[in-house]
Amino acid sequence: GIQVEQSPPDLILQEGANSTLRCNFSDSVNNLQWFHQNPWGQLINLFYIPSGTKQNGRLSATTVATERYSLLYISSSQTTDSGVYFCAVSNAGGTSYGKLTFGQGTILTVHP
Amino acid sequence: EAGVAQSPRYKIIEKRQSVAFWCNPISGHATLYWYQQILGQGPKLLIQFQNNGVVDDSQLPKDRFSAERLKGVDSTLKIQPAKLEDSAVYLCASSLTGTSSGEGSNEQFFGPGTRLTVL
Repeated sequence: GIQVEQSPPDLILQEGANSTLRCNFSDSVNNLQWFHQNPWGQLINLFYIPSGTKQNGRLSATTVATERYSLLYISSSQTTDSGVYFCAVSNAGGTSYGKLTFGQGTILTVHP
Repeated sequence: EAGVAQSPRYKIIEKRQSVAFWCNPISGHATLYWYQQILGQGPKLLIQFQNNGVVDDSQLPKDRFSAERLKGVDSTLKIQPAKLEDSAVYLCASSLTGTSSGEGSNEQFFGPGTRLTVL
């Protein structure tokens, strides 16, 4: 099946700093989503971005489907940004119909 | 618009007991998914329904896990008998469809999850 690798596994920032999270995937995709998992375990949708670039406030994401990677940018980080960030993809050519395969996540800690 | 609802939020049982989880997807969403998230890992798909039919249950441990979506809306996931390694968060998600037939139609939205502890 499709492989998803996220980097870095852990990231510690001071409030106000910028950061870039990366997601590499091993095959073509028809869905790529970025999630933030809050301390209560809820997965919050950040972006649906199988290709192209999107921005939402301090967050933006870019997926280069032909090169099989996606980037999540967080600018002017805040303590509330802390948590685990997951990239998840659905394989365009796979036999699994819509199934999301998740990376291992990036644990972000923002200190005041 | 109401999100995906799940209950209970927390459950503690002893090994060999049975347990059931309930999910109500976003209204109008045809596709429903159950994922298992073990501590420190990303979620993994257990079973996927399209309306009331199963389209992928290849990762469901069928000797102890079962799931149904009888009327194509709500779904239940059951474990019987539970093992210690079943301790995890069980997440339900839904999407309009399972394929990218329209912009964002396969975007998945997740419920708050049920945290299961098996003692």
